[in-house]
Amino acid sequence: KQEVTQIPAALSVPEGENLVLNCSFTDSAIYNLQWFRQDPGKGLTSLLLIQSSQREQTSGRLNASLDKSSGRSTLYIAASQPGDSATYLCAVLPSGTYKYIFGTGTRLKVLA
Amino acid sequence: DTAVSQTPKYLVTQMGNDKSIKCEQNLGHDTMYWYKQDSKKFLKIMFSYNNKELIINETVPNRFSPKSPDKAHLNLHINSLELGDSAVYFCASSQILGRAGDGELFFGEGSRLTVL
Repeated sequence: KQEVTQIPAALSVPEGENLVLNCSFTDSAIYNLQWFRQDPGKGLTSLLLIQSSQREQTSGRLNASLDKSSGRSTLYIAASQPGDSATYLCAVLPSGTYKYIFGTGTRLKVLA
Repeated sequence: DTAVSQTPKYLVTQMGNDKSIKCEQNLGHDTMYWYKQDSKKFLKIMFSYNNKELIINETVPNRFSPKSPDKAHLNLHINSLELGDSAVYFCASSQILGRAGDGELFFGEGSRLTVL
């Protein structure tokens, strides 16, 4: 049974720091992995999607990597800003299914 | 132009009432979902339809009934509402599994249900 874990659960950093959020999954047979951002009271916004055959994706200050064999993904945020404060969730889509499995999220606060 | 839209955004109602939430996507996706997000922010899948056919039906009380009149719409009807039904309900859609889709999941803004 696929399980997805995100560590840490919460993180506070001063503005300008580079930071890494972690996502671990127990079964490497995945179709893709997706990182989302959720602001309070809002829906989930897709940040980056990594297919199982890819090792990383980049969008602006964000870089997500995928290591299927070790069951890990990291989201790297460069030069963090207060506007990056949100909850970040990762989700995996196991191969051959339609059922995305979500992690519990990391609540990020970037202090001005 | 909103990709996944759901209405209403807020529902406040009394225990025992029946309510519906509607969802529409204009992305041309075959698959749509209902998720429930509890007070601890954990996202739990409830239902999924692929091209109007129910494909995922998690352990959800029978009081919850999804309906997909066409592949662009997925509605959720809840009968006899209980206090524990208070949560945010999210609709989502994707195109996956070889159907010219990359499996990216898109969410609506959520419908916050409060049962008094």
